Amino acid sequence: NAGVTQTPKFQVLKTGQSMTLQCAQDMNHEYMSWYRQDPGMGLRLIHYSVGAGITDQGEVPNGYNVSRSTTEDFPLRLLSAAPSQTSVYFCASSYGLTDSPLHFGNGTRLTVT
Amino acid sequence: GQQLNQSPQSMFIQEGEDVSMNCTSSSIFNTWLWYKQDPGEGPVLLIALYKAGELTSNGRLTAQFGITRKDSFLNISASIPSDVGIYFCAGPEAGSYQLTFGKGTKLSVIP
Repeated sequence: NAGVTQTPKFQVLKTGQSMTLQCAQDMNHEYMSWYRQDPGMGLRLIHYSVGAGITDQGEVPNGYNVSRSTTEDFPLRLLSAAPSQTSVYFCASSYGLTDSPLHFGNGTRLTVT
Repeated sequence: GQQLNQSPQSMFIQEGEDVSMNCTSSSIFNTWLWYKQDPGEGPVLLIALYKAGELTSNGRLTAQFGITRKDSFLNISASIPSDVGIYFCAGPEAGSYQLTFGKGTKLSVIP
């Protein structure tokens, strides 16, 4: 099983550029989420989805869009990149929120110059 | 949202020593989760706790769900070099699908 696959692993953007971080899981998980990890800040929830067609905002949603057209995929879009969005981004999925473990991808390291 | 206060922020210990870290919240949790993140990878679940007072072990790791439901502890016995990493506590906000993480405890083990 591939688990949770994130692409790309690394990305450098200029301020104002847009891009999409891809996330796919092959475990038929209903719940998917995006986190950003910054030094000293832990993991902060950006957006999450409890099933295809359903998304909601987390703690730090500004500057990011998501959609969930299929169970497998949960892309994260940066509409106009800013240096404050330089971070490591993790996608995660699970059957439920607390009764099954959250499976994380290996992250995308994004630098915005 | 809820905030989880995790301490200590970092630890340097000798191989073979025991380790203790904790997590506190200003509000009540119904579930406490402990994750470990190895360098360059995503976090992996170590232990899940579902009842106040619950004590659960996973090999050399032991975690407890505090009686007040506002705290949790993780202990690692006889540390080894592969215990190096960042340990996170986490819990869901009551009635929501948002999983909140602490800021992590970075553990370094000196051989």
